[in-house]
Amino acid sequence: ERVMTQSPGTLSVSPGERATLSCRASQSVNSDLAWYQQKPGQAPRLLIHGASTRATGVPARFSGSGSGTEFTLTISSLQSEDFAVYYCQQYNNWPRTFGQGTKVEIK
Amino acid sequence: EVQLLESGGGLAQPGGSLRLTCAVSGFTFSSHGMSWVRQAPGKGLEWVSSIVNSGGSTFYADSVKGRFTISRDNSKNTLYLQMNSLRAEDTAVYYCAKGGVFWASDIWGQGTMVTISS
Repeated sequence: ERVMTQSPGTLSVSPGERATLSCRASQSVNSDLAWYQQKPGQAPRLLIHGASTRATGVPARFSGSGSGTEFTLTISSLQSEDFAVYYCQQYNNWPRTFGQGTKVEIK
Repeated sequence: EVQLLESGGGLAQPGGSLRLTCAVSGFTFSSHGMSWVRQAPGKGLEWVSSIVNSGGSTFYADSVKGRFTISRDNSKNTLYLQMNSLRAEDTAVYYCAKGGVFWASDIWGQGTMVTISS
């Protein structure tokens, strides 16, 4: 099983600042890595797939990078609607596995 | 408009059964793999099961293998999750999601709550 580890657990950021979230896989998942955003009481929303491709309708301030075991989600200038929990997920191997999530909160 | 609508959640006793249903509209259901993902109260996301577009291959998390069965009816645009031998730790919101077999899950339903308690 590929264990996905996200850091930090909580990130405190001021609006307009840059946020950098990390996700590490216990073994290579190539570029089969997705990022999801989840707000309280809502279903997850796909942001990034293939490690770096933005999903339809996702603003350009969201970018993903990495391959193999190390991945990063960057939000270039945080907007009020971006405060949420972010999960990474690998879809390279079974079972599919998620990271534990990073909560981005207002500083 | 693409829509995934889950139903069938509720309260069940330990050892009991529930059948979740996900009614799909707005895309060609028979062309896409589908998945179930759950989220226990206050916890993160946990992948549960996936099925290929034809229904010919299914995949399960170890935590549900042998107890849950995923299936689909492409003529009815509907995905199912039969849950047997339920345990307290199965308590969660269950989400139906498009994809998750060969790539990411790009569309999610709003979820249905399953509570296992005596």
